[in-house]
Amino acid sequence: AQKVTQAQTEISVVEKEDVTLDCVYETRDTTYYLFWYKQPPSGELVFLIRRNSFDEQNEISGRYSWNFQKSTSSFNFTITASQVVDSAVYFCALRNYGQNFVFGPGTRLSVLP
Amino acid sequence: EAGVTQFPSHSVIEKGQTVTLRCDPISGHDNLYWYRRVMGKEIKFLLHFVKESKQDESGMPNNRFLAERTGGTYSTLKVQPAELEDSGVYFCASSRAGLAGLETQYFGPGTRLLVL
Repeated sequence: AQKVTQAQTEISVVEKEDVTLDCVYETRDTTYYLFWYKQPPSGELVFLIRRNSFDEQNEISGRYSWNFQKSTSSFNFTITASQVVDSAVYFCALRNYGQNFVFGPGTRLSVLP
Repeated sequence: EAGVTQFPSHSVIEKGQTVTLRCDPISGHDNLYWYRRVMGKEIKFLLHFVKESKQDESGMPNNRFLAERTGGTYSTLKVQPAELEDSGVYFCASSRAGLAGLETQYFGPGTRLLVL
């Protein structure tokens, strides 16, 4: 069975702090894809990143970085120097090849000025 | 290009009534998906259309839910009769044709349904 766990329900940080959102997944497949989506107050889910199971290279995009570790089945997301506009609900998701998304419950991030 | 749009943005109905949600995917996207998030829990897959055909409807909770995509363009999701546990946010997503897992799904803003 596939499962995604985001243990942090809510996180609050002060602007300019770094914050890491945790994501742990479970799957028996060897080919799978991991995603992060952002849901700002406007409601839509905004795609942030996709990573396949064969690529464990960490990725950095501006203030965002992702740490994929197969050994611990984790795909953590770090925001450096957080800003108020980063306040949102962040979803981690797993998709096995040929199958549909399994989402985590989401982590609500509040960045305070 | 315009994103995925959903209508209405909010709907409040009484138990037993019927509600129809609409999703307009990004133009040219063959794949259309419905998801829902109930009571702040995880987002769960409902079904997947490829053009006008239902590719996978394994996530549909019961036969009170009916999804259609006539002509392979927009899709509707009808709940009849609505029950209290149907309250939640219903998301639609679309993607281009491609190998499963590789194409990026673009989500709409969701329809917030409240059944009283």
